[in-house]
Amino acid sequence: NAGVTQTPKFQVLKTGQSMTLQCAQDMNHNSMYWYRQDPGMGLRLIYYSASEGTTDKGEVPNGYNVSRLNKREFSLRLESAAPSQTSVYFCASRPDLNQRQYFGPGTRLTVL
Amino acid sequence: QKEVEQNSGPLSVPEGAIASLNCTYSDRGSQSFFWYRQYSGKSPELIMFIYSNGDKEDGRFTAQLNKASQYVSLLIRDSQPSDSATYLCAGTNSGNTPLVFGKGTRLSVIA
Repeated sequence: NAGVTQTPKFQVLKTGQSMTLQCAQDMNHNSMYWYRQDPGMGLRLIYYSASEGTTDKGEVPNGYNVSRLNKREFSLRLESAAPSQTSVYFCASRPDLNQRQYFGPGTRLTVL
Repeated sequence: QKEVEQNSGPLSVPEGAIASLNCTYSDRGSQSFFWYRQYSGKSPELIMFIYSNGDKEDGRFTAQLNKASQYVSLLIRDSQPSDSATYLCAGTNSGNTPLVFGKGTRLSVIA
């Protein structure tokens, strides 16, 4: 039982490049989330998926797209990376209402 | 805009003392609250959750919830240097909505 896994752990991009951050969970959770964390800003929700086949915008969705590929996987795509997207990205999953969220180890992204 | 507010700190306490971390929230519909600990460079890990008014104790940790005052707190007794971390408060309402996180309070326990 690996919990929530994220790939890659580190990534450096040039402005304008695209990439996809991968997230998978093996706990059969319905809900999955993508957050970014910047110094002094706490965790800000980018997108979430309450169930397979649905996605919703969070607080800071601009510049990102997501895909809930199946119940296990939820990917985050940057179509044209910008330096403002330099951040640590966390994926999380949650089994049901009012339950704790489980976090992945994070992806540290730098956009030059 | 639903908000969860925390003092960013740093909060410095001597080893063995009680650390008191506080959080207020704006959404009166919030029902469930969570305290996460995050070490530098690591992901958040859950240490306490509370749904009902009053106190909930787990080892050295006590979570307190006052829904009338929209206030949540976390007490850490017998603080240890290993407790030095950022503590994130989060809340959610009873629907299938994501957690709203505060910006976190940085705690430093001085040996």
